[in-house]
Amino acid sequence: SQQGEEDPQALSIQEGENATMNCSYKTSINNLQWYRQNSGRGLVHLILIRSNEREKHSGRLRVTLDTSKKSSSLLITASRAADTASYFCATDSKYNDYKLSFGAGTTVTVRA
Amino acid sequence: SQTIHQWPATLVQPVGSPLSLECTVEGTSNPNLYWYRQAAGRGLQLLFYSVGIGQISSEVPQNLSASRPQDRQFILSSKKLLLSDSGFYLCAWMPGPGNTIYFGEGSWLTVV
Repeated sequence: SQQGEEDPQALSIQEGENATMNCSYKTSINNLQWYRQNSGRGLVHLILIRSNEREKHSGRLRVTLDTSKKSSSLLITASRAADTASYFCATDSKYNDYKLSFGAGTTVTVRA
Repeated sequence: SQTIHQWPATLVQPVGSPLSLECTVEGTSNPNLYWYRQAAGRGLQLLFYSVGIGQISSEVPQNLSASRPQDRQFILSSKKLLLSDSGFYLCAWMPGPGNTIYFGEGSWLTVV
C-alpha cells in the first residue's frame, strides 16, 4: 500500500523559477526519501531525511520534514530544463519492517 | 562502488508465455533486494523483497514469483503471462533497513 502521497500531481514552471512539491504520509516514519525519475528510467536518490531532522539541503534542493503534520516538502530552486522529471517521496517505518513505500509522484515540467 | 544490473531492458511477450527478468548487484554483500512494478504514470508497487538467499516475501498476490538463488542475484518469473502483467519493472537493492534504496534502469514488459 502507498504510504506517501505527493501534491500536486503535476507542476509546470518556467526555467529559473522555484518548484515546490509536498508529500504527506499516514503513520510514523523512520526516514523519508525523495527520488527523481526521468521518463522511462530508473529512480535516482536525491535526499534522505531522518525523522529527527527538520531540514536538509543538497545543492539546489531543500527538503523539510514536519513530523507533527506528517508531511515533507521538496523545493528545487532556480529550476533548469534538466529538472524535468517525476519526483517521488518514499517512507520507511518500523511498522512496515522498514520497507520503502512510494507515493504516486509529482511530474515537473520546466519550460525553457 | 556498487552497481546494479537489470535485464532485459525491453521485452514483448505473448499472453501465456513465461517470463524471466534478472537482476544482479555488484560491489556489496548480503543486500536487501526488491522488485517493484510501476504502471504508466503511477507510483511504485512493491512486489517482492528478499533479505537473504532463498528468503522471499511477497507483498501482493499475483501471477509472478521471485527467487534469489545467489546472494546478489534476484529473478522475477512467471509461468504464464497475463495482459495485466504489462508494466515497468524495477529491481532495487538496499544495504540494510532504513537506508537509501538504489534502483536498476528497469525493464519494460509488454504482454500482447
